[in-house]
Amino acid sequence: GQQVQQSPTSLVLQEGENAELQCNFSTSLNSMQWFYQRPGGSLISVFYNPSGTKQSGRLTSTTVIKERRSSLHISSSQITDSGTYLCAIHYAQGLTFGLGTRVSVFP
Amino acid sequence: GPKVLQIPSHQIIDMGQMVTLNCDPVSNHLYFYWYKQILGQQMEFLVNFYNGKVMEKSKLFKDQFSVERPDGSYFTLKIQPTALEDSAVYFCASSLAQGANSDYTFGSGTRLLVI
Repeated sequence: GQQVQQSPTSLVLQEGENAELQCNFSTSLNSMQWFYQRPGGSLISVFYNPSGTKQSGRLTSTTVIKERRSSLHISSSQITDSGTYLCAIHYAQGLTFGLGTRVSVFP
Repeated sequence: GPKVLQIPSHQIIDMGQMVTLNCDPVSNHLYFYWYKQILGQQMEFLVNFYNGKVMEKSKLFKDQFSVERPDGSYFTLKIQPTALEDSAVYFCASSLAQGANSDYTFGSGTRLLVI
């Protein structure tokens, strides 16, 4: 089965609303990474190996490795936040991705 | 920040022909990867490459696929011959270290359409 489960699968927000995206892992892991994928496909690293809580601008990641979960909080969403947020776990040879949460922000 | 460059961004090719996808990794990175994403589906690992050799490949890395990085040039993914099911976006990535010890940098992808 899926090693990386993300929820929700999609999210519609009005500009200014907050959102929380979840990522759960079915296997033990050493580290994980959050990515943002723009409409059109390019992949941008958002957080790398975020144990505990880390913040970058309006994005906050909270990861509890022992509990195999991570969340990504978007505060005061903007239209430019629209896209797909992917989480991935690191294993020896590469990354295993989840299916992503598609976020759509409207005015 | 450092970037991974992929060329071309789009490619349309007739089934059965050969295609080469090019990747210019981050300059000091040592590990290189290809991932495949079919529209609307999960990003999936194809292969990783280090010190001139394939370290690991997934079941998606068919016999028709090959990778190489001749000295000082692009890290390439070659598909010969192509099949309809090879249509996807192919992402190149690189990292300084392996596995859990390193941040990955991805390119913008090459959109391949086999017709």
